[in-house]
Amino acid sequence: EVHLVESGGTLVQPGGSLRLSCAASGFSFSTYEMNWVRQAPGKGLEWISYISDSGTTMYYADSVKGRFTISRDNAKNSLYLQMNSLRAEDTAVYYCATEAVIGGWFDPWGQGTLVTVSS
Amino acid sequence: EIVLTQSPATLSLSPGERATLSCRASQSISTTLAWYQQKPGQAPRLLIYDASTRATGVPARFSGSGSGTEFTLTITSLQSEDFAVYFCQQWHNWPPMYTFGQGTKLEIK
Repeated sequence: EVHLVESGGTLVQPGGSLRLSCAASGFSFSTYEMNWVRQAPGKGLEWISYISDSGTTMYYADSVKGRFTISRDNAKNSLYLQMNSLRAEDTAVYYCATEAVIGGWFDPWGQGTLVTVSS
Repeated sequence: EIVLTQSPATLSLSPGERATLSCRASQSISTTLAWYQQKPGQAPRLLIYDASTRATGVPARFSGSGSGTEFTLTITSLQSEDFAVYFCQQWHNWPPMYTFGQGTKLEIK
C-alpha cells in the first residue's frame, strides 16, 4: 500500500527554522516527482514546492522562494522541506504529495503535519 | 499565475440530490485540471484528473467535464459521505506553478 507520513511539525517562533520530513513506502519513490502543499487553518490549498525524481530540479512558489528548500534522499525514500525565516503566515498544515507520472495531479497525499509560527 | 475561481462557495443540498460545482480558469488550461475532496481533519483525496477521468476507486456518481476555462464536477444522487469541501487544481504551465481553487463546501441542507 502506498503510504506517505509527514513529521517535524511543531510550534516555532517567528524568524526560526524547521525541517519537515516525509517518509514514503509502498511504491518506487525514486521514480516519482514530489511536492509540498500547505493549508492554513480554515483556508484553501497552496502549492509551495516541487522536486524532480532525481532531486536535481526544484521549483518554489513566490511566497516561500529564498526561505524554503526542498530536497530528497531516494536511498532513504524520504522527502524534506527546510523552512527558514519563518513567519506567522507560514502557519499551516504541510502535506507531501506524489505527482502523477503523466500529469500534474497529486495522488496520494500524506496526512499532513502542523507548523505553527508564533511567539 | 493562473487563477482558479470556484462557485458557489457553499452549496446546501439534501442526500439524493444532484450537485454541480464549477471551476473557472483565468486563461485556457486545456484539460489540465483535477478535482479533490477533503473532509475535516483529512488530507485531500483525488477524485478526477485530466478534467474528466475518475481516479481509481472513485464511485461512478462523480463525474468531471469541461475544457479551456470552464469546468464542472457533478455528483449525482448525493450520499452522506459526499458532504465535504471540493477543490480544483491546474497544472497547465511549466515550470510548475500549480494553483488551486478556493474550494466549494458541500453541506447538508
